[in-house]
Amino acid sequence: DAGVIQSPRHEVTEMGQEVTLRCKPISGHNSLFWYRQTMMRGLELLIYFNNNVPIDDSGMPEDRFSAKMPNASFSTLKIQPSEPRDSAVYFCASRLQGAAGEQYFGPGTRLTVT
Amino acid sequence: KQEVTQIPAALSVPEGENLVLNCSFTDSAIYNLQWFRQDPGKGLTSLLLIQSSQREQTSGRLNASLDKSSGRSTLYIAASQPGDSATYLCAVEGNTDKLIFGTGTRLQVFP
Repeated sequence: DAGVIQSPRHEVTEMGQEVTLRCKPISGHNSLFWYRQTMMRGLELLIYFNNNVPIDDSGMPEDRFSAKMPNASFSTLKIQPSEPRDSAVYFCASRLQGAAGEQYFGPGTRLTVT
Repeated sequence: KQEVTQIPAALSVPEGENLVLNCSFTDSAIYNLQWFRQDPGKGLTSLLLIQSSQREQTSGRLNASLDKSSGRSTLYIAASQPGDSATYLCAVEGNTDKLIFGTGTRLQVFP
């Protein structure tokens, strides 16, 4: 298996632009998680899905952030409009729901907003 | 609210030493605890997962223990090597599918 796939790996954009981050979970996994990592706040959960349904989005910082999972093999995290304080590494992770097992992380997308 | 703390924040040791990394959590009602490794500029690699009913897990030179009642876990690394240099993160999962991460221990093993 290729593992969790994220794209792009790096994104540099100007303040005010829309940013879309993409994630393909491991095949067969039905839980998907979006995290953000910064020096100041460490790793934080933004939102997670079970069976393509958003379960908890309490970590989404503002209405500028939105996430979708249109099918079992694809999810997007969108920031519109982006701001410099959104600069961070965004990780996607997946696992089998309810297995209380390991989450498998993607390589992350490093976002820089200038 | 669950809070996870890791001590020390950074550690630098010579090759061959045995190491103990510490993780503590405030709410003992957890389902599992997971230790991760993160290399600079990379994603997270899962090292060990301990279910709440377990006391320890071992993988190669790594051993992780869990004392749920006292809210503590340790990661023991035997015979450390330069290739072990990375940031080590612990994370706990409660009954909400959410992983709450500690701040990490940055380890450097020098030859």
